[in-house]
Amino acid sequence: AQTVTQSQPEMSVQEAETVTLSCTYDTSENNYYLFWYKQPPSRQMILVIRQEAYKQQNATENRFSVNFQKAAKSFSLKISDSQLGDTAMYFCAHSGGGADGLTFGKGTHLIIQP
Amino acid sequence: EAGVVQSPRYKIIEKKQPVAFWCNPISGHNTLYWYLQNLGQGPELLIRYENEEAVDDSQLPKDRFSAERLKGVDSTLKIQPAELGDSAVYLCASSPDRGETQYFGPGTRLLVL
Repeated sequence: AQTVTQSQPEMSVQEAETVTLSCTYDTSENNYYLFWYKQPPSRQMILVIRQEAYKQQNATENRFSVNFQKAAKSFSLKISDSQLGDTAMYFCAHSGGGADGLTFGKGTHLIIQP
Repeated sequence: EAGVVQSPRYKIIEKKQPVAFWCNPISGHNTLYWYLQNLGQGPELLIRYENEEAVDDSQLPKDRFSAERLKGVDSTLKIQPAELGDSAVYLCASSPDRGETQYFGPGTRLLVL
């Protein structure tokens, strides 16, 4: 069974700072996908970034980047130049190569302070 | 491009009553998912459809939950009868195909009194 662990229930940083959210996972599959989703208070789940396990290069999307360590089964999210609108719940998720549903972590509540 | 549409957004019912949720996926998306999200938790998969076929419903409590996806497009999720513990947010997601990124709807927040 796949598991995803997010060890930081809540984090708070000042606007414009850089913050890193941690995620570890466990899987027996060799081909899989990892995601970070953002869920603002409105509850719409929004994709932040996606990483294919077979790609060694870390994914980046503007201010968002990941540090994917396949051997360590670690998948952290770095947010640079944080903005007030980044305040939300952030979920790390895993999807197997057979395209099962996503397995989510419990989430990290990120608060960006002005 | 329109996103995943869900209705209703909110529903309050008394226990033992039936309730149904509706989902319209993004046009052209073959795979549809229903998730349950309890307060303070990440979503958990209830059922996955490939077109009109339910290919993974192992987490669906079949004694009271049912789902259908007629013609491989819209889907409904039903609970009958509802219990207090069913109070949660029910999320629908769709993806173009297996393994592709999933796009989520706004969810239906259910409160069972």
